[in-house]
Amino acid sequence: DQQVKQNSPSLSVQEGRISILNCDYTNSMFDYFLWYKKYPAEGPTFLISISSIKDKNEDGRFTVFLNKSAKHLSLHIVPSQPGDSAVYFCAASGGGADGLTFGKGTHLIIQP
Amino acid sequence: DTAVSQTPKYLVTQMGNDKSIKCEQNLGHDTMYWYKQDSKKFLKIMFSYNNKELIINETVPNRFSPKSPDKAHLNLHINSLELGDSAVYFCASSWTGNTEAFFGQGTRLTVV
Repeated sequence: DQQVKQNSPSLSVQEGRISILNCDYTNSMFDYFLWYKKYPAEGPTFLISISSIKDKNEDGRFTVFLNKSAKHLSLHIVPSQPGDSAVYFCAASGGGADGLTFGKGTHLIIQP
Repeated sequence: DTAVSQTPKYLVTQMGNDKSIKCEQNLGHDTMYWYKQDSKKFLKIMFSYNNKELIINETVPNRFSPKSPDKAHLNLHINSLELGDSAVYFCASSWTGNTEAFFGQGTRLTVV
């Protein structure tokens, strides 16, 4: 039973354009959401997060949007750069020390 | 300085063996975790541990056991290894209540 879903296994975007990665969740107890970036043979690296009391958080080229009523969040990267090519994981937490629940990841490919 | 380091990076072993993966963090965090990424690329929490509490994912076989000699270390012991244990195992750490976790580079375990 996947509580965090990333329905697009891969996404190809032209350099300079906007990349939009989507994530859906089912557990209403989640109150904190994160995006991680992962290169091959490396561990996930924290990118950006958002609390459930907000609907938007921005950090440079990265913006995360949260729609609580739809249980949906998205990561916008603009402009997309070649170094953004990686697997992006959406993750959620209910707080405390019980760890993160991850989606399956979306492989983002930035084309020159 | 690597914030979360785990050894070895690669581990090939035979079925039935007992093995350990070591993890150390130098961030001063009080909570450490083990995650498993299986062949389908799902990243799932196995354990979270701080000096007060061990939270175990109920799906984890009891052949897996975390051992923490001190706050900076959380080692993973696996007994009677099975073919299905082949996966990439990630160690992570964070402050309790802060879900932004820092991950190690991963240990690719192959059971033959």
